[in-house]
Amino acid sequence: GDSVTQMEGPVTLSEEAFLTINCTYTATGYPSLFWYVQYPGEGLQLLLKATKADDKGSNKGFEATYRKETTSFHLEKGSVQVSDSAVYFCALHGSSNTGKLIFGQGTTLQVKP
Amino acid sequence: GAGVSQSPSNKVTEKGKDVELRCDPISGHTALYWYRQSLGQGLEFLIYFQGNSAPDKSGLPSDRFSAERTGGSVSTLTIQRTQQEDSAVYLCASSPVAGGKWNEQFFGPGTRLTVL
Repeated sequence: GDSVTQMEGPVTLSEEAFLTINCTYTATGYPSLFWYVQYPGEGLQLLLKATKADDKGSNKGFEATYRKETTSFHLEKGSVQVSDSAVYFCALHGSSNTGKLIFGQGTTLQVKP
Repeated sequence: GAGVSQSPSNKVTEKGKDVELRCDPISGHTALYWYRQSLGQGLEFLIYFQGNSAPDKSGLPSDRFSAERTGGSVSTLTIQRTQQEDSAVYLCASSPVAGGKWNEQFFGPGTRLTVL
């Protein structure tokens, strides 16, 4: 079945450091891919998405490129801020036609000043 | 406008009791989803509603779990005879169009359930 694998956390970085959170997936067909973020005490929010191969999603300085050849959707940011501290979830809309999301385990990011 | 709301925000119950969790989706959203977030299991899909019907219940972990949606709006997730392994944060999400692969799901703040 469809699945998503994320790098384990926590990830601890200093402010202005470069961020990469790895995400790979297993799915039939051409799933849509998402990154959701959960800030402390808040609900899940969509950060960015990509719906077909080679698409790049971007938002708030974060980027991720849909790579079908490597079945990956790694999240990157060039210069993180303390306010980026949160839990990041990679997800896909799988082969079902219900729109349900399949999530990775989540990666906790802590950015220190 | 108003987002997805859930109640209660926290629920502590004793093993064996029944609990009801409520979700108010964004007005006009036809698709509604329940997920569970627990330590060690991550975020798991439970059930999907299209209007008032549930074409996908594949994520419900046992027959102690059930859900309904009325008037194409409010949904209630019921857990009967709660067990300690049911302790988790239960998340509700809604989406404007049923089943669309590209539609964003808007999540509520969740209900934290603790079974003692």
